[in-house]
Amino acid sequence: AQSVAQPEDQVNVAEGNPLTVKCTYSVSGNPYLFWYVQYPNRGLQFLLKYITGDNLVKGSYGFEAEFNKSQTSFHLKKPSALVSDSALYFCAVRYLNTDKLIFGTGTRLQVFP
Amino acid sequence: GAVVSQHPSRVICKSGTSVKIECRSLDFQATTMFWYRQFPKKSLMLMATSNEGSKATYEQGVEKDKFLINHASLTLSTLTVTSAHPEDSSFYICSAIGDRDHGYTFGSGTRLTVV
Repeated sequence: AQSVAQPEDQVNVAEGNPLTVKCTYSVSGNPYLFWYVQYPNRGLQFLLKYITGDNLVKGSYGFEAEFNKSQTSFHLKKPSALVSDSALYFCAVRYLNTDKLIFGTGTRLQVFP
Repeated sequence: GAVVSQHPSRVICKSGTSVKIECRSLDFQATTMFWYRQFPKKSLMLMATSNEGSKATYEQGVEKDKFLINHASLTLSTLTVTSAHPEDSSFYICSAIGDRDHGYTFGSGTRLTVV
């Protein structure tokens, strides 16, 4: 079955430091992977996706993610964190050959000044 | 880019009443929309897939008669929570497939509180 796991409930990082939010996946076939961000009482905003091609995907707001097939991971990264990056981050995978998205449990990122 | 408008953003209703939430694609046609429910500090749970002109497809465990979904046009899907109870209080989010860049656009969500 298609699924994603986010092992960390919360990640804390100081402003200016690099950040990583982890995601591992379990899929049948080629994965379609996504990262979304959610601010309080808001919907989800698209950050980036991986479908095929380069393993390093660059997205919105300076975020990037690396698709690692051997480790079945798709970690979200940013070289220098901003306080405004503090939010809830979701990894998602498209379910089999449908258009449904299955989400991870979310990771709260807290960036301290 | 693609925009999905969701209304209302917040609603408080009494137990036993029904509440309708609207999800509109503003600048694209959405043949498929999705409804999610988000519990506090939890992930999004897919409730159903809404298809224009046909019956919605509900996920296992979601009560069809309680959460009525209508997708009458290519730009509008509605979720009606019928005979609402306090345990239905939650954050409901819709999404639509439209933008080719990433395929999924989300509404801003509706905070439902049943008192």
